[in-house]
Amino acid sequence: QLVLTQSPSASASLGASVKLTCTLSSGHSDYTIAWHQQQPEKGPRFLMSLRSDGSHRKGDGIPDRFSGSSSGAERYLTISSLQSEDEAVYYCQAWYTGIHVVFGGGTKLTVL
Amino acid sequence: EVLLSESGGGVVQPGGSLRLSCEASGFSFNRYVMTWVRQGPGRGLEWVSAISVSGDKTFYADSVKGRFTISRDNLKNTLYLQIYSLRVDDTALYYCAKDVTPGGTGMLIDNWGQGTLVTVSS
Repeated sequence: QLVLTQSPSASASLGASVKLTCTLSSGHSDYTIAWHQQQPEKGPRFLMSLRSDGSHRKGDGIPDRFSGSSSGAERYLTISSLQSEDEAVYYCQAWYTGIHVVFGGGTKLTVL
Repeated sequence: EVLLSESGGGVVQPGGSLRLSCEASGFSFNRYVMTWVRQGPGRGLEWVSAISVSGDKTFYADSVKGRFTISRDNLKNTLYLQIYSLRVDDTALYYCAKDVTPGGTGMLIDNWGQGTLVTVSS
């Protein structure tokens, strides 16, 4: 069964960069994931889909500051030139066998 | 522009029932796998159910299996979630969402609705 693991929290300074990690469970290192952002008191927003080779496709209107990369079972979301509105919870998401959807626990990003 | 608009939420007593709807526009609804995701107060995202393009295949999280029924009407561009035997821990904001790939057989979400709130309380 697929499990996605994320650190509960991260922080970085305004204008800096941060790299968030989503780790796929053993045996699932080739899976494609999606990254979603949920700002306070708002619904989730799709950021990008991210393949095991690091190629990614961003959602409409997602700034160039957001990028994705991969290494083995890890999927990364990098946000550069951090802005205050980037303070949010970031979720990774994938699916397996039939259509069973899995979310990571989310990483709460604080912009200092 | 893709729009997903949920409705049907409300306050229900434990053991009660509700039917949630999600009206879709701005894309070819009958070509996409659709899903329901919920978020309890102060909690993360929890997948609930998914349905294939034609509606012939349905999938459920263990926590709702046997109590929730997902369905779709491709002529009305509408997704449904019938909820029975509601429990207090079903209290959540319920989102509908679509897959990124037309004609796909999986679910990578690329669009979300705004959600409809279900509150289960006596």
